[in-house]
Amino acid sequence: NAGVMQNPRHLVRRRGQEARLRCSPMKGHSHVYWYRQLPEEGLKFMVYLQKENIIDESGMPKERFSAEFPKEGPSILRIQQVVRGDSAAYFCASSPGTATYEQYFGPGTRLTVT
Amino acid sequence: DQQVKQNSPSLSVQEGRISILNCDYTNSMFDYFLWYKKYPAEGPTFLISISSIKDKNEDGRFTVFLNKSAKHLSLHIVPSQPGDSAVYFCAASRQNFVFGPGTRLSVLP
Repeated sequence: NAGVMQNPRHLVRRRGQEARLRCSPMKGHSHVYWYRQLPEEGLKFMVYLQKENIIDESGMPKERFSAEFPKEGPSILRIQQVVRGDSAAYFCASSPGTATYEQYFGPGTRLTVT
Repeated sequence: DQQVKQNSPSLSVQEGRISILNCDYTNSMFDYFLWYKKYPAEGPTFLISISSIKDKNEDGRFTVFLNKSAKHLSLHIVPSQPGDSAVYFCAASRQNFVFGPGTRLSVLP
C-alpha cells in the first residue's frame, strides 16, 4: 500500500507538552499539505511544503506551530506547548506536483489535549 | 469569512434515488473545484473535479456541475447507494485548497 501514511493515528498530550505529527507522502510525491479539522468544521489549510522548502504557511498559527519536510524522512508538524484548543484531527495530503490538483489524503492524526 | 459554503449540514436520500449536494463560493479567482468523500476515522478521498473552464464533468454515477455566474457547484450521485453514506466536502482551489464545512449524506436502504 503506497498511500499517504500518518502516525501516530491518535495522540494524547497534556497542556504544555509538545506534539509531533508525522506524514509520509505517497511514493513519488514531493508536495505535502497539512490541514486541521476542528469538530463539526471542514478542513482548514495550514501549510504547503516541498522538500526542504515551505511554500505557503498562510494557514499556520503564528506561534507554537511549525512544519518541515526534510530531504530525507517524513514531513513533521510540530505543536509546542499544546493547549486544549489544539485538539483536532490533523490531515496530511500529498501530490506529485503543481501540475495536478488532486491531493491524496492520509488517515489523519487525532490529537487530544487533556 | 467562509469562502466555500455548504449550506446543508445533512441530507437523507432513499437508495436508488438521486443525491444532490450543493456548494457555493465567493472568490471568483478559484479556478478548480473538487469533491471529496470522507468516512469516519479516515482521510478524505478524492471523488471528482472540474476546471473553471467547464460546466460539467461526469464519472460513472458522479456528475459535477459548475455555474460560474452563480458561483455555485453541485455534485449529483445517481443512483445513490448505501455505501455512498459519508461526509462530502467541496473544495475550491486557486493556489491552495479551501474546503467547505461538509454535508453528511445518508442513503437509506
